[in-house]
Amino acid sequence: KAGVTQTPRYLIKTRGQQVTLSCSPISGHRSVSWYQQTPGQGLQFLFEYFSETQRNKGNFPGRFSGRQFSNSRSEMNVSTLELGDSALYLCASSVDRGMTYEQYFGPGTRLTVT
Amino acid sequence: KNQVEQSPQSLIILEGKNCTLQCNYTVSPFSNLRWYKQDTGRGPVSLTIMTFSENTKSNGRYTATLDADTKQSSLHITASQLSDSASYICVVSAPYGGSQGNLIFGKGTKLSVKP
Repeated sequence: KAGVTQTPRYLIKTRGQQVTLSCSPISGHRSVSWYQQTPGQGLQFLFEYFSETQRNKGNFPGRFSGRQFSNSRSEMNVSTLELGDSALYLCASSVDRGMTYEQYFGPGTRLTVT
Repeated sequence: KNQVEQSPQSLIILEGKNCTLQCNYTVSPFSNLRWYKQDTGRGPVSLTIMTFSENTKSNGRYTATLDADTKQSSLHITASQLSDSASYICVVSAPYGGSQGNLIFGKGTKLSVKP
């Protein structure tokens, strides 16, 4: 079974631009969560989508948004990029929402903002 | 606020030696605790998942323990290998994580195994 895939793997953008990252979950998984990982901060929760609905949202500004499609694929968008948005963005999928279900992480998208 | 604290922040050991990583949490209510291994530039990979009723769980050379009373967990690595060099992240599930999400992440322990 194919794992979680994320595209692109690497991205370089300049301040003020916007970016869209994509995540394809494991087949059959309906829950997709997004995280931002920066050195020293660990993983910080962005949002979770389940069956095309945003179920939970972290404490990030409105510049960060996401959506989920009917095939469970998800995208996140960051508008008006800032230098501090440089990070590894990870998505994770699980069979269902709920704490007992294991989350499987993708390899991440490394975003560099210059 | 729910928190997960890990120690040490970093650790260097020689190949073949054992080591133990610590995790303390203040998450309540608590559903389960997970340990992930994350290689540099890659996504985390699950090592173990324990519910509050489990005291220990093993995955090969990795053994996790949990004391739900003291809210402490440890990950013991036996006979370390060079491939164990990675960050190890302790994650606690909270039923009502709110803006933190349902998974509360520690900042990880960076382990370096030297030949």
